[in-house]
Amino acid sequence: DIVMTQTPLSLSVTPGQPASISCRSSQSLLHSDGKTYLCWYLRKPGQSPQLLIYEVSRRFSGVPDRFSGSGSGTDFTLKISRVGAEDVGVYYCMQDTQLPLTFGAGTKVEIK
Amino acid sequence: QVQLVESGGGVVQPGRSLRLSCAASGFMFSDYGMHWVRQAPGKGLEWVALISHDGNNKYYADSVKGRFTISRDNSENTLYLQMNSPRTEDTAVYSCAKQGLHLEGDYWGQGTLVTVSS
Repeated sequence: DIVMTQTPLSLSVTPGQPASISCRSSQSLLHSDGKTYLCWYLRKPGQSPQLLIYEVSRRFSGVPDRFSGSGSGTDFTLKISRVGAEDVGVYYCMQDTQLPLTFGAGTKVEIK
Repeated sequence: QVQLVESGGGVVQPGRSLRLSCAASGFMFSDYGMHWVRQAPGKGLEWVALISHDGNNKYYADSVKGRFTISRDNSENTLYLQMNSPRTEDTAVYSCAKQGLHLEGDYWGQGTLVTVSS
């Protein structure tokens, strides 16, 4: 199974400031079809996870452009350009290059 | 809009059985694969199972293989997870998710809590 390692585990951010979360996979997420399948989810308190980013950098429908994803191979980053109160929650990376799907441990983001 | 509503959770004794359901609406259910994912108390997310859009292909995490069965009824827009011989370590919130463009889950339900305890 592919192991996903997220850092940091928690982040306290001043409103309006940027934030960055890293995710590393134990093996390359490059699929034989040439695409790389790495997603980011946000689980807000009391809600189900919502898909933010898929295929490393593609924003899902309705996701604000302050969220961006980047990376390749085994190293990936989620950036929030200006954190707001509505961005509080736990962020997870997940690889869907192969089954079983595997998730990072999560990064808890709070507002200072 | 896409809605996924899980039900069927509760307290079950180790070794007994429980069936979870996921009622889907807002999309053409029969066109999409569906996942079950769980989160144990204080733990991370764990993928459990995937079923293809037509029910012909099923995939399981090693931790549940041979004990859990994923199935679907496309006429009723409902996904199921039959949990046989549950163990205490199966205690978790179980959520269903609609498969997106690849294997990712693009929409998730709120989940239903399963507690395995004697």
